[in-house]
Amino acid sequence: DAGITQSPRHKVTETGTPVTLRCHQTENHRYMYWYRQDPGHGLRLIHYSYGVKDTDKGEVSDGYSVSRSKTEDFLLTLESATSSQTSVYFCAISERAVPYGYTFGSGTRLTVV
Amino acid sequence: AQSVTQLDSQVPVFEEAPVELRCNYSSSVSVYLFWYVQYPNQGLQLLLKYLSGSTLVKGINGFEAEFNKSQTSFHLRKPSVHISDTAEYFCAVTSGSARQLTFGSGTQLTVLP
Repeated sequence: DAGITQSPRHKVTETGTPVTLRCHQTENHRYMYWYRQDPGHGLRLIHYSYGVKDTDKGEVSDGYSVSRSKTEDFLLTLESATSSQTSVYFCAISERAVPYGYTFGSGTRLTVV
Repeated sequence: AQSVTQLDSQVPVFEEAPVELRCNYSSSVSVYLFWYVQYPNQGLQLLLKYLSGSTLVKGINGFEAEFNKSQTSFHLRKPSVHISDTAEYFCAVTSGSARQLTFGSGTQLTVLP
């Protein structure tokens, strides 16, 4: 996935702890997205950003916050992790407002125990 | 609001047989449609997209899809599948007023020898 990296790739954390996932891009794309992938649900949008310090909520934003202080970095924070947040998290980037096709990162597999 | 329904969660098919993965969408405005493929433990890759023009869209790896506005469908087809096509396939939709893609729940295509 050239131009977009997610870290960490895998993480196990305990219920109630805060967790931050990082998405880093080198494409200078304006739009960045965080999705979660769960069996039977496909990908659901958590939050997205349309510029530095400009973010908005998606359909499953409860329990999550985001920050974007630089064009290249988009951080997703689970404020107090719960078992229902065990999932695979994908970051995506897009050059245009109406997505003509995202570029996805490789994902972060998060397990909350 | 826009939504996507992928009618089959799993599709098993023998190698060299044809396959069709079904996708229906709902949206009150003009739409842009996408198919993505996800190989095991990887992110999603764009297979093809419909933005405008010809309703028959050709993508990578020999896949094609047909946009049918009257039936609100965007089915994915391949005339002869290979073992390497085994993956999960996601249909997605967006519109001119949206800033993000909405994904279906995915179809697992398994190609059998």
